[in-house]
Amino acid sequence: DTGVSQNPRHKITKRGQNVTFRCDPISEHNRLYWYRQTLGQGPEFLTYFQNEAQLEKSRLLSDRFSAERPKGSFSTLEIQRTEQGDSAMYLCASSGGTSDGEQFFGPGTRLTVL
Amino acid sequence: AQSVSQHNHHVILSEAASLELGCNYSYGGTVNLFWYVQYPGQHLQLLLKYFSGDPLVKGIKGFEAEFIKSKFSFNLRKPSVQWSDTAEYFCVKWNTGKLIFGQGTTLQVKP
Repeated sequence: DTGVSQNPRHKITKRGQNVTFRCDPISEHNRLYWYRQTLGQGPEFLTYFQNEAQLEKSRLLSDRFSAERPKGSFSTLEIQRTEQGDSAMYLCASSGGTSDGEQFFGPGTRLTVL
Repeated sequence: AQSVSQHNHHVILSEAASLELGCNYSYGGTVNLFWYVQYPGQHLQLLLKYFSGDPLVKGIKGFEAEFIKSKFSFNLRKPSVQWSDTAEYFCVKWNTGKLIFGQGTTLQVKP
């Protein structure tokens, strides 16, 4: 499968715990994006990378959130001291870096904070 | 801030009915527009896109959308829906590298 993959697909954690999600983009894509989707809403942009450089972060991304893409390939999104409001679907997407904007999405990681 | 607004949250149609989903986007920036679809249990996938040129854009599975610049609209249409079109549909605007999504419209097609 050459699509975007995300792991884990589901994560249940207790409030206050740290969690980390992984995204593997399509191999030839140099841009990688993270979005968050809550029930009944469209995905909201969190951050994106071009190669290993993090180019933009949304104000939604509090200090408890950090994302990395150390070698310009896979990316991780870590949430520290999780809160119940962090419960959501976390989506990763990648693109080939052209200006046309088409992004290819992974299946998402569903986070439930108890 | 850039935004996208979809007119309908939940639409229920019978098979063979015509579909039109309304979408308005905010003024400003590059007007690259998309409709994405998410079928039950599947990833978000691109239905169609508009960057420039012919304002009537054709996508996969018989869908089309019309870009009307004066109305800041990008409505999605299909002449005759099928049960397999049951899904959630998102109108999306590209904005300096990131995508701005509408809140989505859930389409339920009854057989």
